[in-house]
Amino acid sequence: DAGVIQSPRHEVTEMGQEVTLRCKPISGHDYLFWYRQTMMRGLELLIYFNNNVPIDDSGMPEDRFSAKMPNASFSTLKIQPSEPRDSAVYFCASSFDAGGTEQFFGPGTRLTVL
Amino acid sequence: EDQVTQSPEALRLQEGESSSLNCSYTVSGLRGLFWYRQDPGKGPEFLFTLYSAGEEKEKERLKATLTKKESFLHITAPKPEDSATYLCAVQAGDSWGKLQFGAGTQVVVTP
Repeated sequence: DAGVIQSPRHEVTEMGQEVTLRCKPISGHDYLFWYRQTMMRGLELLIYFNNNVPIDDSGMPEDRFSAKMPNASFSTLKIQPSEPRDSAVYFCASSFDAGGTEQFFGPGTRLTVL
Repeated sequence: EDQVTQSPEALRLQEGESSSLNCSYTVSGLRGLFWYRQDPGKGPEFLFTLYSAGEEKEKERLKATLTKKESFLHITAPKPEDSATYLCAVQAGDSWGKLQFGAGTQVVVTP
């Protein structure tokens, strides 16, 4: 398996623009997680899905952020409109379950909002 | 509120100089404590899960231990390839699926 795939790897956009980040989890994994990493706040969980259903979105910072998982092999994280404070590295991860098994992280998308 | 604190923030070691990283936590009902390694420009990579006080796990030069209040990651005779940021995360009993990460310890091992 190729591991968790994220695209794009880098995104530079201007304030106010819509940004869509994409993730393909490892086949057979029932859980998908979206994280954000910044120097100030570290690695934070934004939302996670189980069998394509959002389970906990309490980490989503505000209504400008939305996430979907239309099928088991694809998820998107959308920011509309984007703001400079959204600049961060966004990681997608997947796992077999939500317990003690490891989460496999993708390479991340580095987002810069000018 | 659950908290995870890692120390030190950064650690510089000579090759072969053993040391320990600390992860202290306060959480309501620990379900699991996780250690990850993160290289620059990459996503975190899983190392260990510890579930109960007294548990220990080893992998090559790394050994993780757990008490009721903290976990240690011991690096024995480190090599330059052990240079990375080491992240600790906790999963609380009432937060199935959610990992709360510490800020990490950046380790640099020089030849």
